Amino acid sequence: DAGITQSPRHKVTETGTPVTLRCHQTENHRYMYWYRQDPGHGLRLIHYSYGVKDTDKGEVSDGYSVSRSKTEDFLLTLESATSSQTSVYFCAIRYRDRGFEGYTFGSGTRLTVV
Amino acid sequence: DAKTTQPPSMDCAEGRAANLPCNHSTISGNEYVYWYRQIHSQGPQYIIHGLKNNETNEMASLIITEDRKSSTLILPHATLRDTAVYYCIVRVDKAAGNKLTFGGGTRVLVKP
Repeated sequence: DAGITQSPRHKVTETGTPVTLRCHQTENHRYMYWYRQDPGHGLRLIHYSYGVKDTDKGEVSDGYSVSRSKTEDFLLTLESATSSQTSVYFCAIRYRDRGFEGYTFGSGTRLTVV
Repeated sequence: DAKTTQPPSMDCAEGRAANLPCNHSTISGNEYVYWYRQIHSQGPQYIIHGLKNNETNEMASLIITEDRKSSTLILPHATLRDTAVYYCIVRVDKAAGNKLTFGGGTRVLVKP
């Protein structure tokens, strides 16, 4: 599973509080991604990173910020959580294997904003 | 990335082949067809991918039409553990900043 670990696995937080989700990888992959998934929807890209300190926005980036100070960690921050950010968050890495480009996803973080 | 169209849901009998269609009529010559699946509450899992030729691996087969405007994922002997949402994704391979864009997928229910 490309050594991807997401933490926490579950979190309940109050509206207006800051929240940081962590994605940790152990195989030195350059590209990392944060997605969210809501009931009845496929995964939607929030932000991604193509190297240390190099990040870019996805399709649903409003209300989120990211940081990547070292290769193995990609952090997703909700500066002031809102109920609309209740979701399941998945981290992913992109890898190359025998010329094939694939993606491996973490197990997800279920975030509830009350 | 080209847009894909999949049926929202389908049922399949356990032990039978499951054939999942995907239309991608606007696919470009350098775009690959990828299939991922997501079992309940888990992250998506890679199944198979192809460009022009049919492909087979230990999980499934991928049949791509000659004009590349549609494809079919075949699960040869569906089991209850194959119940999942299956996503057909079309994208350019090995491009800078590349990312997977998910549509609604097909929710497959394998019944005993």
